[in-house]
Amino acid sequence: KNQVEQSPQSLIILEGKNCTLQCNYTVSPFSNLRWYKQDTGRGPVSLTIMTFSENTKSNGRYTATLDADTKQSSLHITASQLSDSASYICVVSAGGGNKLTFGTGTQLKVEL
Amino acid sequence: KAGVTQTPRYLIKTRGQQVTLSCSPISGHRSVSWYQQTPGQGLQFLFEYFSETQRNKGNFPGRFSGRQFSNSRSEMNVSTLELGDSALYLCASTYREGEYEQYFGPGTRLTVT
Repeated sequence: KNQVEQSPQSLIILEGKNCTLQCNYTVSPFSNLRWYKQDTGRGPVSLTIMTFSENTKSNGRYTATLDADTKQSSLHITASQLSDSASYICVVSAGGGNKLTFGTGTQLKVEL
Repeated sequence: KAGVTQTPRYLIKTRGQQVTLSCSPISGHRSVSWYQQTPGQGLQFLFEYFSETQRNKGNFPGRFSGRQFSNSRSEMNVSTLELGDSALYLCASTYREGEYEQYFGPGTRLTVT
């Protein structure tokens, strides 16, 4: 059964600090891995999409890494801002199309 | 370019009723996918439509159905509502079938009482 597990479930950090979110997956055949940011009451917004051959991808202060051998990904947020407070969802696509398996997300809160 | 729009944004129904939700994709996008999001289960895939044809379907009962029109707008219908159907229903559009970059709408918050 395809599964995506994220950790931690929730996280509180001070503004300006860095943090790293983890995603482990057992999805086959692997197609791509996506990180989404979802603000409360809004739809998810794509941060990064990585295929098998990519091991790092950045989007501003967000950097995602992928280790296809260990089936792990991480999302690193640098110099956090209050607006980074959101749920971060790891999504893995199997095969073609949009047959997606979603993690349950990491709820991040950035405080002053 | 306008984003994905979903109507209505909020809806309250009672058990046993049926409901229809609407999604208008980004102009030019021809693929629409629907998802259910609940606090306990997270996001779960419902179905995907491309060119008015259902291409993929998730593991949901037959009470959940959908369709896509020739202008790419999509509707999903839930019949005989149950309390457990209370959720945020999201749709996402892509330019073509299977494309990686999905654009999500704001969702419809359905509450079943």
